[in-house]
Amino acid sequence: QVLLQESGPGLEKPSETLSLTCTVSGGSINSYYWSWFRRAPGKGLEWIGCIFYSGSTNYNPSLRSRVTISVDTSKEQLSLMLSAVTSADTAVYYCARGPLTTGYWYNTFDIWGQGTTVTVSS
Amino acid sequence: DIQMTQSPSSLSASIGERVTITCRASQTIGSYLSWYQEKPGKAPKLLIYAASTLQTGVPSRFSGSGSGPDFTLTISSLQPEDFATYYCQQSYTTPYTFGQGTKLEMK
Repeated sequence: QVLLQESGPGLEKPSETLSLTCTVSGGSINSYYWSWFRRAPGKGLEWIGCIFYSGSTNYNPSLRSRVTISVDTSKEQLSLMLSAVTSADTAVYYCARGPLTTGYWYNTFDIWGQGTTVTVSS
Repeated sequence: DIQMTQSPSSLSASIGERVTITCRASQTIGSYLSWYQEKPGKAPKLLIYAASTLQTGVPSRFSGSGSGPDFTLTISSLQPEDFATYYCQQSYTTPYTFGQGTKLEMK
C-alpha cells in the first residue's frame, strides 16, 4: 500500500521560502508524476504543479514565478519550495500521485497525503 | 483556466437516502473528470475517475456519469461513513482545477 507523508515547518515568516517534503512509502517514486496541491482557509483546492520522476515539471501559471518542485528518487521523496511567501500562502499543503497519464486513468490523482498545515506569519 | 461549478455547496440527507451532486465545467472536458471524498484530517480519497469509473475498493453505491461540461456523482443509499465533503476536478488541461466542494451533512 503506497502512502504519502508531507512534512515541513508549520510556520513561515513573510518573504521567506517555504520548503516541504513528501515521502513515498510502500512503493516507488519511479514511473509516475507527482503533484502538490493546497487549500487556503475558506478556499478551494488549488493545483500547484507536478513533476515526473525523471525531473520534468509543470507549474500552475499563477505560482510559476515562485515555485520549484524537485524529486529525489534515491530517497523516494519529492519537495516543494515556494519563495517570497505572504499570508495568502497560508494553507494545508498536500502531495499526491498523479496525474496518471497511462491507460484509462484520464490524468487523475489516486493517492494523497493527509496534508500539512503551513501558516505564514511574523 | 477551466472553472468547475459544483452544486449544491451543502446538502442535508438521511441514512439510506439517494443523493446527487452536480458539477459543470466552463468548457468541454470530455471524460477528464474525477470525484474525491474528503474528511477532516484525512487524505482526500479518489472515488471516481474518467467521469464514471469506480476506483478500486470504493463501494458500488457510488457512481458517476456525464461528459462534456455536465457531470453527476450519485450515492445510491447513504451510509454513516459517507458524510464528508465531495469535490469534482477536471484533468483535461493544466492548471487542473476543482469545484468548490459539496458538504454532505446528516439531516
